[in-house]
Amino acid sequence: AQRVTQPEKLLSVFKGAPVELKCNYSYSGSPELFWYVQYSRQRLQLLLRHISRESIKGFTADLNKGETSFHLKKPFAQEEDSAMYYCALYTGGFKTIFGAGTRLFVKA
Amino acid sequence: SQTIHQWPATLVQPVGSPLSLECTVEGTSNPNLYWYRQAAGRGLQLLFYSVGIGQISSEVPQNLSASRPQDRQFILSSKKLLLSDSGFYLCATAGSNTEAFFGQGTRLTVV
Repeated sequence: AQRVTQPEKLLSVFKGAPVELKCNYSYSGSPELFWYVQYSRQRLQLLLRHISRESIKGFTADLNKGETSFHLKKPFAQEEDSAMYYCALYTGGFKTIFGAGTRLFVKA
Repeated sequence: SQTIHQWPATLVQPVGSPLSLECTVEGTSNPNLYWYRQAAGRGLQLLFYSVGIGQISSEVPQNLSASRPQDRQFILSSKKLLLSDSGFYLCATAGSNTEAFFGQGTRLTVV
């Protein structure tokens, strides 16, 4: 079955601390994975995709096919990183499925 | 770049009343269009998607329906709303590189 799992509903860290938002997926094909972010009062938007292997706003995510994971990481969290984060899997057939989301709260 | 317009932003409807949420897309032609529902603790659930005019695929059985009367218009409807239809509804389109673009969403409260 195709599935995206984000085990943490809420993650709270202090400013300057490292942060890791976990994402695991289940997919029989070659996965195409994304992280989307929704800041307060803004629309859901793409943060990064694994194909690009880029760092956006200090965030990186590495696809680990052995562990079927795509965790989002940032070495030093900032208050403006507080938001809702969704891991997503493009399954082909025009469909993208999303995890339940993790709310990140960065405390001053 | 693609822009999605979705309205209304909020809606309060009584149980048993009809529903019509509209979504229009600019900046692209023949887009794939999607309706998602965002529920607390359940993430984004794909409800419908459409790859062309008049073509609708339903992902979950429910009290809602979707239609695509024009290339860049996608409508979510219900004949009789249930309390369980309350939620946050998002319209989205997919770019050529499979990135999803979302509208601002509609907060529907059925009372």
